[in-house]
Amino acid sequence: QVQLVQSGAEVKKPGASVKVSCKTSGYTFSSYSIHWVRQAPGQRLEWMGWINAGNGNIQYSQNFQGRVTITRDTFASTAYMDLSSLRSEDTAVYYCARGVPLDPWGQGTLVTVSS
Amino acid sequence: QSVLTQPPSVSAAPGQKVTISCSGTTSNIGYNYVSWYVQLPGTAPKLLIYDNNKRPSGIPDQFSGSKSGTSATLAITGLQTGDEADYYCGSWDSGLSAYVFGTGTKVTVL
Repeated sequence: QVQLVQSGAEVKKPGASVKVSCKTSGYTFSSYSIHWVRQAPGQRLEWMGWINAGNGNIQYSQNFQGRVTITRDTFASTAYMDLSSLRSEDTAVYYCARGVPLDPWGQGTLVTVSS
Repeated sequence: QSVLTQPPSVSAAPGQKVTISCSGTTSNIGYNYVSWYVQLPGTAPKLLIYDNNKRPSGIPDQFSGSKSGTSATLAITGLQTGDEADYYCGSWDSGLSAYVFGTGTKVTVL
């Protein structure tokens, strides 16, 4: 079955960067896009951007422009999300999800930003 | 970034029906498909409805979706305690070239 498995929880200091991976299986990786969504504690879902896993085209949310980088490794069927210049407000669970509609979702990766 | 507007909470007794509204604009709901996602406490969101009114395999027919103009509605009939969760609508926004989510609605079974 289709699965998206994300890397483990991270604790980072303000100003640092974090890279979250999303390893996919059960389908042809290059046939679907991968989206990244985050959810701060008690808050709503917030879309960050997406990558066309086939041709590598990328679109970022204006809210994260300049701080987020989404990449993919087609040989490893894995997508990555790199967020830089971390601040406390970036503490959240970060999810990857396949395609639009977003289905399925990864299990989530908790990123905690704390000094 | 624009968001879709949902009521913060809805509630009803077991067996009853609730509806959740999702209000958007011509650049998102008015022009593109709407999906609904359910998030049980402590878990990742899961697709509940796609293309306005279609259910993925395994989703029971107690869940139904509809769309009219720039608004969409999720209906849950035969409410059960296991349906207590947060529900989000989502749609592509052609003006922003971004995916937008609703503000989220907490469903409580009384």
